[in-house]
Amino acid sequence: GENVEQHPSTLSVQEGDSAVIKCTYSDSASNYFPWYKQELGKRPQLIIDIRSNVGEKKDQRIAVTLNKTAKHFSLHITETQPEDSAVYFCAPGQAGTASKLTFGTGTRLQVTL
Amino acid sequence: DTAVSQTPKYLVTQMGNDKSIKCEQNLGHDTMYWYKQDSKKFLKIMFSYNNKELIINETVPNRFSPKSPDKAHLNLHINSLELGDSAVYFCASSQGVAGGLEEETQYFGPGTRLLVL
Repeated sequence: GENVEQHPSTLSVQEGDSAVIKCTYSDSASNYFPWYKQELGKRPQLIIDIRSNVGEKKDQRIAVTLNKTAKHFSLHITETQPEDSAVYFCAPGQAGTASKLTFGTGTRLQVTL
Repeated sequence: DTAVSQTPKYLVTQMGNDKSIKCEQNLGHDTMYWYKQDSKKFLKIMFSYNNKELIINETVPNRFSPKSPDKAHLNLHINSLELGDSAVYFCASSQGVAGGLEEETQYFGPGTRLLVL
């Protein structure tokens, strides 16, 4: 099965700084790379995703970069704001009829004023 | 107007009891999932159904039995509840057809917080 590791497990940044979270996976068949955000007491929600034929994708202040050779992908958040404080999960998997995603262990991001 | 809904939101019960959690999605999706999130926030898939057919069945005790009466509903029945079953259970759905990225997105329900005493 897929082994997924996220680093760091916790991250504290000051408002306005950038944050980077790295996800390493083991299954070379994985071709779909999403990031989910879970605020305290809420449900996980997709914030950005890419497929293996794309190396980078950006959506306003967030971006995802993929290094398929090294089997890792990263979430980049620029100009962090207090509302970015949450737990972030990577969930690599294989796209298809029933996408089986393996969620990482999560990274708790705290944005301080 | 809720996309994925679950009932109940909270469930407190005694060890040994049997309980069910219901999930419904109004997105017209073909695929539904059950996840378990433990106290350390680890989110692990339990089951997945596509058009009422079981697709993914992870290593889960057979006390857990999913049931999909139609593709908009996926219920979870748990027999003989144990202390270790205490967790938040999330239902999710996705379009489930290979194609655009938007079809892979999994939409989660609000979660059911189960506490076994």
